[in-house]
Amino acid sequence: DTEVTQTPKHLVMGMTNKKSLKCEQHMGHRAMYWYKQKAKKPPELMFVYSYEKLSINESVPSRFSPECPNSSLLNLHLHALQPEDSALYLCASSQDPPGGYNEQFFGPGTRLTVL
Amino acid sequence: GQNIDQPTEMTATEGAIVQINCTYQTSGFNGLFWYQQHAGEAPTFLSYNVLDGLEEKGRFSSFLSRSKGYSYLLLKELQMKDSASYLCAVKDSNYQLIWGAGTKLIIKP
Repeated sequence: DTEVTQTPKHLVMGMTNKKSLKCEQHMGHRAMYWYKQKAKKPPELMFVYSYEKLSINESVPSRFSPECPNSSLLNLHLHALQPEDSALYLCASSQDPPGGYNEQFFGPGTRLTVL
Repeated sequence: GQNIDQPTEMTATEGAIVQINCTYQTSGFNGLFWYQQHAGEAPTFLSYNVLDGLEEKGRFSSFLSRSKGYSYLLLKELQMKDSASYLCAVKDSNYQLIWGAGTKLIIKP
């Protein structure tokens, strides 16, 4: 299994809703990432988990809350989002924590729309 | 600050060759990646360079000059499916990936 899966593919939510994005990989990778990508822009790193511990939080607002239940799963809990949070949310994984050569494998993304 | 520059858009003809350039100024260097991204899809890994020189992988090649802070991605025998955005990304001294804005490549018949 050489892929990263994400659910749901599309999500529409109101500003008062609570929802979660899910990401899963079975490649034995020990680093997992959340990115946000706006149209025609590169991915912006949000969070990095290394060995199931949060190692990087790129000053992301608290309305985004990551969780890593185990080495294969990564969640992103969403609460009280704003319309400007609408974007493609990408999950990625790499074999080891970000040192050295470690290509990141990306999931297909969740297209999020906040109304 | 850290900066990666790529052309915004390029156009090429099916069957031809195209070179996409990337220049970077980062705090440290731990490798350079090229990713391909089709519209609405996730980026997929194309190549990695950490030493100077050319890495060839089928129709795609990537070149790096660390002294010049410069890389290029060379695509040969272009196919319509190569129409996509090509993202250059550099790992800095903290092993963080710094992304370029991407180059949108349009292939015409």
